[in-house]
Amino acid sequence: AIRMTQSPTSVSASTGDRVTITCRASQGISSDLAWYQQKPGKAPKLLMYAASTLQTGVPSRFGGSESGTDFTLTISSLQSEDFATYYCQQYYTYPRTFGQGTRVEL
Amino acid sequence: EVQLVESGGALVQPGGSLRVSCAVSGFTFTTYWMTWVRQAPGKGLEWVANINQDGSEKNYVDSVKGRFTVSRDNADNSLYLQMNSLRAEDTGVYYCVRGGWYPDYWGQGTLVTVSS
Repeated sequence: AIRMTQSPTSVSASTGDRVTITCRASQGISSDLAWYQQKPGKAPKLLMYAASTLQTGVPSRFGGSESGTDFTLTISSLQSEDFATYYCQQYYTYPRTFGQGTRVEL
Repeated sequence: EVQLVESGGALVQPGGSLRVSCAVSGFTFTTYWMTWVRQAPGKGLEWVANINQDGSEKNYVDSVKGRFTVSRDNADNSLYLQMNSLRAEDTGVYYCVRGGWYPDYWGQGTLVTVSS
């Protein structure tokens, strides 16, 4: 199975900060990567797919990029509603696999 | 409005069986792959299984192969996960999600607890 490794595990930030989360795949996955946001007690929400395509309704402060097997989620100006845990997921092959999550906290 | 509503979660003894269900509405069920994703308490997300539109193709994570079976009833707009030989490590919230690649709609989840 493809291993997805996120870093950092957690990040402390303030409103207005720029936050960057990285996800590294253990092998090539083309651009078949999605990002999800999960708040406590809630189901995850799809933010982005194809590494950099925003899901409908997701604010433009969220951005994605890729370089080889490294993928990055950037929040350009952190808002209060963005404090949550973020997961990457590859859908290049089976089994689909998620990263371990990155918690963005105040 | 797209809705996915899971049910059937329960406390089960190790080695036992359970079927969880998902009732969907608000979209054309027959045109979508469907997926089950689980989350152990306080842990991350784990993809479990998916199924294509007519149920002819199914995929599973290795840890559940031979024990879990995903199925669907297109006439009833329902998705199922039959879980046999349950283990403590199967404990978690099971989410029904729409899509086979990057699921875009998620249910609220149903809790399965495997414990004696």
